[in-house]
Order: sequence, then C-alpha cells, then structure tokens
Amino acid sequence: LAKTTQPISMDSYEGQEVNITCSHNNIATNDYITWYQQFPSQGPRFIIQGYKTKVTNEVASLFIPADRKSSTLSLPRVSLSDTAVYYCLVGDRMIYNQGGKLIFGQGTELSVKP
Amino acid sequence: GAVVSQHPSRVICKSGTSVKIECRSLDFQATTMFWYRQFPKQSLMLMATSNEGSKATYEQGVEKDKFLINHASLTLSTLTVTSAHPEDSSFYICSAAPGTGYNEQFFGPGTRLTVL
Repeated sequence: LAKTTQPISMDSYEGQEVNITCSHNNIATNDYITWYQQFPSQGPRFIIQGYKTKVTNEVASLFIPADRKSSTLSLPRVSLSDTAVYYCLVGDRMIYNQGGKLIFGQGTELSVKP
Repeated sequence: GAVVSQHPSRVICKSGTSVKIECRSLDFQATTMFWYRQFPKQSLMLMATSNEGSKATYEQGVEKDKFLINHASLTLSTLTVTSAHPEDSSFYICSAAPGTGYNEQFFGPGTRLTVL
C-alpha cells in the first residue's frame, strides 16, 4: 500500500467548505484512493472512493489531479456533526472488495466549531 | 449496505481474566475478517487477519498466544484477549469485505475493553 500523508488536524466553522488534502507520491497504477470517516468510539465509515479526476456523492467530493500523487476530500457546508477523524487510504481495489489488509495512517482530526 | 456487528460494545474485566469479542457479518459471508486495535488519539493498528477455516495471520509485534483468533464460520470471527492486563485496555475493531458488488470494507462499531 502506498504511504499517505495528511495534516494532523484542521479547524473549521459551521457552513464552511472543508478541503483535506492527502499526499500519496508512490501511488501505483492499480491503486484507488479511499476516504473513511471515524467518530469517537465508533468504527470507520466509508465516505468516498476514486481513481482519477473527480468523484461526487451525497456526502463529499474527491478531487484527484492527473498525476494522482495527491487527492483532496471536499466536504461542503460542514456542520458540527462532521467533527471526526478522516483517513485517506490508497490501495488496489481488490483490497476492498476481496478483503485485503488496510493500513491506516494518522488521519486528519477535523474540528467544526459553531 | 453490508453490516458488521460486534459484541459486546464495551467490557470491563479484572486483570488476569480472559475476554472474548465477537465480530459478525450480518448480511454477507466473509472468508476474511480483520482485527484492529486503537488507543486513544491514535490511528487504527492492524493486529491480525482472520481466515475462515485456517489459522489467523498476525502482524509483527502482536502476540498470537495472547490474542487468540478463531474464524469458525463465514459470518463469525472471535478475538479472545487472554490473561488481560491494564495495558490491553483499548478499542478493538473488526472489518470485513462483502466481495463482488462492493468497493469498500465494512467496519464493526468497535468494542471498548477496560482492564482493571
């Protein structure tokens, strides 16, 4: 799995857009980028996954530049309930749908203030 | 979506006792499940890979005799912390992949173990 680097923490206010960037310089051709969200004392929850360009779902958007060496998770109009730790993972899609090891980095602790 | 459950959600035990934690895939079968441990303010650390019908594969530094893993069926994996000590107090999380049709692993809600 490619090593990932994220900011340790970020602060935001309610209603703002939050962008969390993840660096993965050694991403392989077959690797996908996946973001998980974890609330205190809960298991991680899948947010979004992408391979290139832009992916959007009802929760977030994922922007991936052409060189794929980084990615940005964008959370529109955050609320207090978005306060959580966000993890960026990079790996072959088979890891996810066939059950391979996931290695979590340190994650980004997002704090949303009123 | 697929659901993974854990039981119990929290457990308190005395030092020297053993504790069993169950991880179940409720609506899918999983030949492989994973066990993680998470200390406060830290990331998830993979402990072991649980394989149905065979021995678990442990990550470097994880004591296999202390953390016993049994994957007796395609929907159940158990983690037993033997002779627990206060330093084993942690948040234990399992995960599983439903397979075809999904592109994510699903995580259980976690089990908070406190050893007195």
